[in-house]
Formats: sequence, C-alpha cells, structure tokens
Amino acid sequence: DTEVTQTPKHLVMGMTNKKSLKCEQHMGHRAMYWYKQKAKKPPELMFVYSYEKLSINESVPSRFSPECPNSSLLNLHLHALQPEDSALYLCASSQDQSSGNTIYFGEGSWLTVV
Amino acid sequence: AQKVTQAQTEISVVEKEDVTLDCVYETRDTTYYLFWYKQPPSGELVFLIRRNSFDEQNEISGRYSWNFQKSTSSFNFTITASQVVDSAVYFCALRGGTASKLTFGTGTRLQVTL
Repeated sequence: DTEVTQTPKHLVMGMTNKKSLKCEQHMGHRAMYWYKQKAKKPPELMFVYSYEKLSINESVPSRFSPECPNSSLLNLHLHALQPEDSALYLCASSQDQSSGNTIYFGEGSWLTVV
Repeated sequence: AQKVTQAQTEISVVEKEDVTLDCVYETRDTTYYLFWYKQPPSGELVFLIRRNSFDEQNEISGRYSWNFQKSTSSFNFTITASQVVDSAVYFCALRGGTASKLTFGTGTRLQVTL
C-alpha cells in the first residue's frame, strides 16, 4: 500500500469551479512533488516543495496554485481550468531533493474538466 | 540534457513467458540514478528498483531481474514466468547530478494474457 495518500481519487469540475487536490505523507519526507500525467504519456513535473518552500515551478499556468501547509501535506488549488487540463495528477514525496533519493508516488487524482 | 528511451511501446505475452523490457539512457552526469516504476490501470506509480551509476551488479527480486550495463547505457528489466497481474505500463527513469527532476521514458505497456 502506498504511503502517499491523495484525495479525492476522482474529481469532475466545471471551468468556473474552484477545487483542491490534497496529498498527505507520513514518511517524514521533506520534498514533495506534483506531477501531471496525460493519457499514454509519462508523468510531467509541475512543482517541487523542499522543506515546505516552493523549490521548482516548471512554468505551470497560474490556474494551478500549490500550497504546502506543513511537512506532511501538499495541496493543489485549481481555478478556471480548461478541458485540456483533464489528466491524472500524481503527488509524490522523497526524503529530500537529492537525486539519489527514491521518489514515492501516490495513487493519483483523476481530474476531468467539463 | 538527460534522456531515457524505451523503444518498445507495447508488448504482449502469454502467461508464463519471460519478457524483457528495454531501457537506454543518456546523461553527462558521472553520478546518476536509474529507476523502474510500474503503473497498473489504477494509476499509482509503484517503485520497483533504484540503481546508482557506480553499482553495476545485476539484481534479482523474485521473478524480477534487472541488468545494468554502463558500457551500453542500458538498464533492462526482465520478468520471468510472467503473470496476468504483471500487466501494466512500466516506466524507466533517470535522475542525475543535483537534479531533483526525474526524467521518464515513454513507457512500455505490457499485456499478459492467459
């Protein structure tokens, strides 16, 4: 069983809605990540938080807004999304950002924008 | 720049057959890490193995084995006596130097039938 928990598992939202994806880990990891995965493609990095501070933003549109309330939680706030933003959103964590650390992924949140 | 190539898009085998998934990588880093992940239809990316660039020992874990060859920049994955539960998309990934970004290959979809 994954130790990175994501909610909700499925989300359908309209283009004018505001919603949030939530992620929690209790492995004591200090790096947390958001990835986006479109069908039949590999995951693409969106954001990295290191010690609760935003470390990397891969030029993600501002309609996606990450938040790290504490070392165990990571949120992704969604507002005014487009249908092309429909995808699987994966949260992940690792001990820290060092390249030798394994990144562990959650089960993902399937997002559909209508 | 880093690159991971998984030339096999889809592989179909009959249960109990052995199957090898190929992974070729490119990096200029002298220290780097290679990973394999399994993604079943549920969406979760399941970590299978991590290998660092200084350790070329092959590894076996149950029915799974990995062959790392720096001379050919390859990190191939073999499943012995495949089972239906092995059906999934398998991603090879690379993380190098100080980069926190995980570079994925395009994935190989494995279908195991009875």
